[in-house]
Amino acid sequence: AQRVTQPEKLLSVFKGAPVELKCNYSYSGSPELFWYVQYSRQRLQLLLRHISRESIKGFTADLNKGETSFHLKKPFAQEEDSAMYYCALYSGTYKYIFGTGTRLKVLA
Amino acid sequence: NAGVMQNPRHLVRRRGQEARLRCSPMKGHSHVYWYRQLPEEGLKFMVYLQKENIIDESGMPKERFSAEFPKEGPSILRIQQVVRGDSAAYFCASSLSANTGELFFGEGSRLTVL
Repeated sequence: AQRVTQPEKLLSVFKGAPVELKCNYSYSGSPELFWYVQYSRQRLQLLLRHISRESIKGFTADLNKGETSFHLKKPFAQEEDSAMYYCALYSGTYKYIFGTGTRLKVLA
Repeated sequence: NAGVMQNPRHLVRRRGQEARLRCSPMKGHSHVYWYRQLPEEGLKFMVYLQKENIIDESGMPKERFSAEFPKEGPSILRIQQVVRGDSAAYFCASSLSANTGELFFGEGSRLTVL
């Protein structure tokens, strides 16, 4: 079954600390994976996608097929990073499968 | 470009009534997706539509739920004879094509069934 798992509902870190938001997936084919973010009072928006291999707002995510993971990382968290983060899998059949989300709180 | 517009933002219905949720995609987008978010759960795929066609409704409950995306006007998600379990946030997203890798989301419609 196709599934995206985000094991942490809430992650609290101090400003300047490293951040890692975990995402594991279950998919038999070649996955396309994304991170979406929802800042307070804003709509859900794309943060980054694995095929781009880019860094957005200091965040990176590497696809690890062996561990079926796509963890989101940032070396130094900032207060404005506080938001809800969703990992998503594109299954190739028009479906984007989302995880349950992780709320990141960056403490001053 | 105003982005994906959903209305109403909040809707309250009594059990047995009908709920209609509207979604206007971004200008130029002909692909629309509806997702449901129950408390403590992620976004669950419901239906994918193109103009005048339902492409994939595998995530829609078999009864009481229907969706359309007419040639003119917004996409509509219709829930007949609502029950308390239908209370959720319903999100609409649009994309320029089916596999561009970016969905543009609306702000969601929160349905509360009393």
